Amino acid sequence: ETGVTQTPRHLVMGMTNKKSLKCEQHLGHNAMYWYKQSAKKPLELMFVYNFKEQTENNSVPSRFSPECPNSSHLFLHLHTLQPEDSALYLCASSLGGQGTEAFFGQGTRLTVV
Amino acid sequence: ILNVEQSPQSLHVQEGDSTNFTCSFPSSNFYALHWYRWETAKSPEALFVMTLNGDEKKKGRISATLNTKEGYSYLYIKGSQPEDSATYLCAFKTSGTYKYIFGTGTRLKVLA
Repeated sequence: ETGVTQTPRHLVMGMTNKKSLKCEQHLGHNAMYWYKQSAKKPLELMFVYNFKEQTENNSVPSRFSPECPNSSHLFLHLHTLQPEDSALYLCASSLGGQGTEAFFGQGTRLTVV
Repeated sequence: ILNVEQSPQSLHVQEGDSTNFTCSFPSSNFYALHWYRWETAKSPEALFVMTLNGDEKKKGRISATLNTKEGYSYLYIKGSQPEDSATYLCAFKTSGTYKYIFGTGTRLKVLA
């Protein structure tokens, strides 16, 4: 148990659906992250938020829409996805300082059909 | 583009063997280097956070070293056990950002 909770753990959605992934942490961290893990690729950074403000958008397509209403919650809204978007989506949080590590959720395994 | 490379991609060792992996990262704008262990069906968990050139960290049978001038870090496992089987990730952080840039990982399988 890392203190970072993601829901749902598994999601199957059609290309015309709209769904959302949720991430929650009560570790007192100010930075929150979305990463994508595709087969045989490194963890790919998607978005970073610090104190609710987006600080990084790694050229992510607009069909992925993040939302960070407060420092404890992070959402990833999904719409009109493609089959190649099927992947493991990991949320993480950190204090952001030099000596601080990231704490990860267990991920959402997304399948787009 | 920041590139973090890890080698080997995967390896199998016998129980009791010692092993090591390499992480290469850009030597400019260094802020921190992290090692994570990622077991199947679990979350990645931090092993070490290293910030200074020449840092050496140890946790039980696992240790790591850091060379920021040449841009590499080594992770060592002494006397590997089956429970060490996992993917080991390194992540590089540059100064002035909150980003962690990950390598592709080294997948370790320890055979009993």
